[in-house]
Amino acid sequence: DGGITQSPKYLFRKEGQNVTLSCEQNLNHDAMYWYRQDPGQGLRLIYYSQIVNDFQKGDIAEGYSVSREKKESFPLTVTSAQKNPTAFYLCASSYPRSMNTEAFFGQGTRLTVV
Amino acid sequence: KNQVEQSPQSLIILEGKNCTLQCNYTVSPFSNLRWYKQDTGRGPVSLTIMTFSENTKSNGRYTATLDADTKQSSLHITASQLSDSASYICVVRETSGGSYIPTFGRGTSLIVHP
Repeated sequence: DGGITQSPKYLFRKEGQNVTLSCEQNLNHDAMYWYRQDPGQGLRLIYYSQIVNDFQKGDIAEGYSVSREKKESFPLTVTSAQKNPTAFYLCASSYPRSMNTEAFFGQGTRLTVV
Repeated sequence: KNQVEQSPQSLIILEGKNCTLQCNYTVSPFSNLRWYKQDTGRGPVSLTIMTFSENTKSNGRYTATLDADTKQSSLHITASQLSDSASYICVVRETSGGSYIPTFGRGTSLIVHP
């Protein structure tokens, strides 16, 4: 089945540690996105990538890093520099240059700092 | 700065009743507007998309409207069901050098009681 998969569903991190969230898609989409969602808040864009080996900062990129070595994969690393990392993280993919393209979302990863 | 404002923030209705959610935006230049449904702890799923020339579009019990002149959209839910309990997110896409970056609203949390 085609889709976008995030793992793990729940993740616990100690303060000061880096942690990597996985996002894989088999939809042949060129564009992939990472969003952060906090309670009562809308989705905020962390990073996005329109093509392999290229990515751009979103609105809240500080404390995060990404890579796009393969079309199918767009992992997000939450570094120790991110001061408030506890949140729900959503990955999405789409065709970037199609005007009415739908963004398909993964099921999310809930990260908790303990 | 592009903004998408949704109202009300939360809504509680009885099963079988109708309701209307509102979305106002300042995104420009406008490409399209999409309504997503997000169940708790899951990724958003697209309900409908509205382009500049469309005024009304239905998807089962969901009917979306768009007034591109006043930059307003609404999502009407008819004969609500318990499974309609979710967050409804309005997403407006702008054209920016062909990138079509989306702006997310904060969502309206709908609770349907039996």
